[in-house]
Order: sequence, then structure tokens, then C-alpha cells
Amino acid sequence: QKEVEQNSGPLSVPEGAIASLNCTYSDRGSQSFFWYRQYSGKSPELIMFIYSNGDKEDGRFTAQLNKASQYVSLLIRDSQPSDSATYLCAVRNTNAGKSTFGDGTTLTVKP
Amino acid sequence: DGGITQSPKYLFRKEGQNVTLSCEQNLNHDAMYWYRQDPGQGLRLIYYSQIVNDFQKGDIAEGYSVSREKKESFPLTVTSAQKNPTAFYLCASSDRGGHEQYFGPGTRLTVT
Repeated sequence: QKEVEQNSGPLSVPEGAIASLNCTYSDRGSQSFFWYRQYSGKSPELIMFIYSNGDKEDGRFTAQLNKASQYVSLLIRDSQPSDSATYLCAVRNTNAGKSTFGDGTTLTVKP
Repeated sequence: DGGITQSPKYLFRKEGQNVTLSCEQNLNHDAMYWYRQDPGQGLRLIYYSQIVNDFQKGDIAEGYSVSREKKESFPLTVTSAQKNPTAFYLCASSDRGGHEQYFGPGTRLTVT
């Protein structure tokens, strides 16, 4: 079992819809959770981070964390074609000093 | 203009040759990281360093070496012992708390 697993995708949604991206992790000592967006051929860029159980909203993005279920998700509301990218979930155990990344979910938003 | 630079953007080498990838940051970050990304896959950690003159192996360190003589610099050497070196290599940095990592533009290495 991988330490960080993401829904395999690819995920395709129509413009204006809600895109839901999911991630589960195995290390119960994980303390910080990140979502990165990576356009094809480019490096990842951070779009959201969450440390506490519950929801965190930033514009059209909402991150949700449930530590008991070891589950973190990213919702993208009013999806735009420019949101088409691969989304990487990363989980950090501060004591270990490093993060572990999932394999990513590729999202396509169709006009 | 703060950020992370990696050079070169594209690198071609013959099998059996060692090659060094450059990574420099002016964000005053303590921690630096090297990742490898293969097509359709996530990032796999090669080496990381939380402070100058100290570094740790990541999940796939075999065939790679690093040094951290300066806070700003964390070069990665891909040795001839690395069986499948062709990949996209990403360098990142963060503050010591590691709350978020900032990535360089990457170096795409092709070995033939």
C-alpha cells in the first residue's frame, strides 16, 4: 500500500461544475497536508494547505481534512478550463522532516 | 526577485557519465529537497537537507549524491550507478518548519 493514495483519474468535469479530488494517507503521525497543482511540463505550485480537521476555504478552493479517517480532499467550485492540470496531494510528518507525495490526479475541465 | 533556480532546463548525457544538476535559492530557507518525477507519476524524494553540512537519504537515494556546503545551494549528482536516470528532476526549498515547499522550474535529464 502506498503511503499517499489519490483517486486514479483522469477526472473530467464540465466548465462550472464542482471537481472533487481525494487523497488518503497511512502515516497517523502526519501533521500537515498540501495540495499542489502541476501543469504539464511545469513544476508544482502550492494551492492549499491544511493542518486542522475540518474545512478550509480559499476562493474557489476548499480543502477538507479528516484525521480520524486519514483522508484529505480538495473541492474546486465553478471549475474553469484553466484548472485543467494534475493535482498532487502531499503529506508531511514534521518529525521526519519530509513530505510524501501521491501520484496525482489529472483533471480536465471541458468548456 | 526571490526564488529557486535550476540549471540547465534540459540536459543530455551519455550512459556511464556522471552529471551534476544545479539548484540555488535566495529565499533564505534552511531546508532543501531533491525529487524525481517520471511520466504519469508523483514526486519521489531523493535527498533532503534541513541545515547546512547535513543531509539525509530519501526514498530513492541509490545512484545519487548531494552536498550542502552553502545554505543557498544543494547540487545533485546523478552517477553512472543510477540504472534509469532519465527523468524530470525537481528541487524545492522550505523554511525549517517545512510548512510549504517552493519548487524550482526543474531539469529534464535524458541519458542515452
